[in-house]
Amino acid sequence: GAVVSQHPSRVICKSGTSVKIECRSLDFQATTMFWYRQFPKKSLMLMATSNEGSKATYEQGVEKDKFLINHASLTLSTLTVTSAHPEDSSFYICSASSSGDDTQYFGPGTRLTVL
Amino acid sequence: GNSVTQMEGPVTLSEEAFLTINCTYTATGYPSLFWYVQYPGEGLQLLLKATKADDKGSNKGFEATYRKETTSFHLEKGSVQVSDSAVYFCALKGQAGTALIFGKGTTLSVSS
Repeated sequence: GAVVSQHPSRVICKSGTSVKIECRSLDFQATTMFWYRQFPKKSLMLMATSNEGSKATYEQGVEKDKFLINHASLTLSTLTVTSAHPEDSSFYICSASSSGDDTQYFGPGTRLTVL
Repeated sequence: GNSVTQMEGPVTLSEEAFLTINCTYTATGYPSLFWYVQYPGEGLQLLLKATKADDKGSNKGFEATYRKETTSFHLEKGSVQVSDSAVYFCALKGQAGTALIFGKGTTLSVSS
């Protein structure tokens, strides 16, 4: 149980385009979803926290107009990187947790490369 | 604020060696503590967790004990395998918050 999927696993796009990454909880209801960014050989940086049906809470320094997060249902959250630039190239990982469970379950990650 | 400190890596061991990866934390109250593992090219997987003092989390031969007196949650394994090669992250979740706070990760490399 507690499986989280991400799609796509890998995406390459041109500078200036937008990319949408999906995060789904497959066998549980995710009341809270988190989006992280991981740089090479670095730890995970929390970008934002989203609760189903509410606006996401962004961490300091993360541009909410650039990284659009939607948590429309208890099983789906999306991260859209708008007007992507090469510096946005990174490994993006989502995680999900359900009400009353302090464990976060992570997706397999999405490798974004912006040319 | 809350924080997690892990030993710097990389840790390089021979197969069947004993593993310890140190993790200490700073937090108010009684956080929950976690170890996550990330295999190359993959996302994070929960390895084990402990939610209160003196709890021992264990999984796949790995163990960690929640020590409040030393604010530590060291990861140990008696005999590592090549397949254990990965990056290990210590993390905490504070009483009041929902977000995990991660250490910087420790790379483990096991050779045969």
